[in-house]
Amino acid sequence: EADIYQTPRYLVIGTGKKITLECSQTMGHDKMYWYQQDPGMELHLIHYSYGVNSTEKGDLSSESTVSRIRTEHFPLTLESARPSHTSQYLCASSGSDRGVEQFFGPGTRLTVL
Amino acid sequence: GEDVEQSLFLSVREGDSSVINCTYTDSSSTYLYWYKQEPGAGLQLLTYIFSNMDMKQDQRLTVLLNKKDKHLSLRIADTQTGDSAIYFCAESMRSNYQLIWGAGTKLIIKP
Repeated sequence: EADIYQTPRYLVIGTGKKITLECSQTMGHDKMYWYQQDPGMELHLIHYSYGVNSTEKGDLSSESTVSRIRTEHFPLTLESARPSHTSQYLCASSGSDRGVEQFFGPGTRLTVL
Repeated sequence: GEDVEQSLFLSVREGDSSVINCTYTDSSSTYLYWYKQEPGAGLQLLTYIFSNMDMKQDQRLTVLLNKKDKHLSLRIADTQTGDSAIYFCAESMRSNYQLIWGAGTKLIIKP
């Protein structure tokens, strides 16, 4: 069982609000990732981190930002939410075993009204 | 650039075998993975295969890898209603720590 957690699971919020999606893992993994996924669609990598104080943007441009101050914690922030940000956000982490196998959290489903 | 392709849908009858196919382009991939995503949930690793293997079997799951054709398949024997999900194929990149994902195949089970 993967020990990676995301909160909240569901969030409905108005346009213009600042939001932070939390992601934590207890496996000591150095690599962490954020994906954006519309329901039933493909995954798009929006941010990743290979360690503390290391963050990079992914393939899909996103207005969100991330931070990695502690190994276990990788929060994603939207300064001003818009309806176009409505999606599912999946957090994942990876250690050094079996290539780059990624363990996923349950996801946060965000709806911006 | 690197790409992973899958059919978007597969429909099978309960009790039959399901075969989900995937093609990839990066010949230097070290591992290839199959993930399962049930509605409203995150992704769960089903199985993986190392690039120097041709086949891997794990209970009802059989993974076949044809490196020459860059083709990966996942066979689910005796498909059950609980197998209804989206199945993602992914390849690992030797050059970095990222996965290249397919678009996912939605497996539909007919009674």
